Amino acid sequence: QVLLQESGPGLVNPSETLSLTCTVSGVSVSDHYWSWIRQSPGKGLEWIGYIYYSGSTTYNPSLKSRVTISLDTSKNQFSLRLSSVTAADTAMYYCARSVSIFGEGWFDPWGQGTLVTVSS
Amino acid sequence: DIQMTQSPSSLSASVGDRVTITCQASLDINNYLNWYQQKPGKAPKLLIYDASNLGTGVPSRFSGSGSGTDFTFTISSLQPEDIATYYCQQYHHLPITFGQGTRLEIK
Repeated sequence: QVLLQESGPGLVNPSETLSLTCTVSGVSVSDHYWSWIRQSPGKGLEWIGYIYYSGSTTYNPSLKSRVTISLDTSKNQFSLRLSSVTAADTAMYYCARSVSIFGEGWFDPWGQGTLVTVSS
Repeated sequence: DIQMTQSPSSLSASVGDRVTITCQASLDINNYLNWYQQKPGKAPKLLIYDASNLGTGVPSRFSGSGSGTDFTFTISSLQPEDIATYYCQQYHHLPITFGQGTRLEIK
């Protein structure tokens, strides 16, 4: 059974960097593509980007200048960093496995999500 | 970006009813269309991939169809546990985008 679990601070100051980690169990992160997705009342579900075991990444152009997704195969984890955050980045953040032969595809399964609030 | 428009935004139906949700893409996306179910306080769960393929362990009362720009998601006989919000998602054109969701309630 593939399980994903997000972790990280629930509160981030404006202008600082949001950092989250997704710990994967039941499968090696080296075998699939992995995505971050967020959900806010104002913007609905928004795909942030994905990473492959090779380290290659693809980001949503709307966030590309502020996003970094990285992989730690030794810990079977992947991470998200979002810089210069504002209140608009307040959302539930999900990690998920991207199922496809080329990265884009469907998301299955998802982590339970972690709520990040941007506020001073 | 590809705009995904779901209809209706909300829906009230009785147990046993046949329920249909539509999703329209702003450009041709072939069959690169997926459907998710999200229950309150939970993460989305994959139901249908590539327009018509049932996800692992998903009950057969759920189905999907369509190609190009117009897609349909159907619950053949609504069950109480199907109360949730349903989302479509395209992956033919980056960035990957989702519909705004359809909230399904029991009448």
